[in-house]
Amino acid sequence: EPEVTQTPSHQVTQMGQEVILRCVPISNHLYFYWYRQILGQKVEFLVSFYNNEISEKSEIFDDQFSVERPDGSNFTLKIRSTKLEDSAMYFCASIARRTNYGYTFGSGTRLTVV
Amino acid sequence: KQEVTQIPAALSVPEGENLVLNCSFTDSAIYNLQWFRQDPGKGLTSLLLIQSSQREQTSGRLNASLDKSSGRSTLYIAASQPGDSATYLCAVRLSDRGSTLGRLYFGRGTQLTVWP
Repeated sequence: EPEVTQTPSHQVTQMGQEVILRCVPISNHLYFYWYRQILGQKVEFLVSFYNNEISEKSEIFDDQFSVERPDGSNFTLKIRSTKLEDSAMYFCASIARRTNYGYTFGSGTRLTVV
Repeated sequence: KQEVTQIPAALSVPEGENLVLNCSFTDSAIYNLQWFRQDPGKGLTSLLLIQSSQREQTSGRLNASLDKSSGRSTLYIAASQPGDSATYLCAVRLSDRGSTLGRLYFGRGTQLTVWP
């Protein structure tokens, strides 16, 4: 079964530092997403990405966040200056027509900002 | 804005019981609905995907139904096992974007414990 791969699985960073979370979506999937889940809270949408540009973003996705598909396989989420409240589990996902546009999620990156 | 509610928040049952997990959503103009399983500290595993035109989907001991007009979905788990212990999440995608790119709106989940 194809998988969405995320690295690292856990990252600890100092407040104010930049972090890059990496994802390798399923090959031939064309639509990519980032979601996050603060401990004990709902899973929340951050951003969707298609055809090398952002197609939708939530109110959470402010100027501190950016996404990129640098090489046609990786899909990254950058947080420029991390805050304590950015501590969460970050999930990457992708979808494709052949799976009826059902989401496939990665196993997540747990980000801890100290 | 779409609100998704799941009831109950937690459920603890002995092995072998048949279970019903409920999900309701406020905006019935959905594109599809997906049920996920989440183990502690882990990612989201897709269980069942129901398109807006469908009434139910089945996979093994799992059956999900959808009543779009009333804004409800039910996940039925037959003959529960300890390995079913996890959090079950319901998520819906709206159809208002006229595309396949719409975000998912999640419920808080039902935390299920099945004891031997």
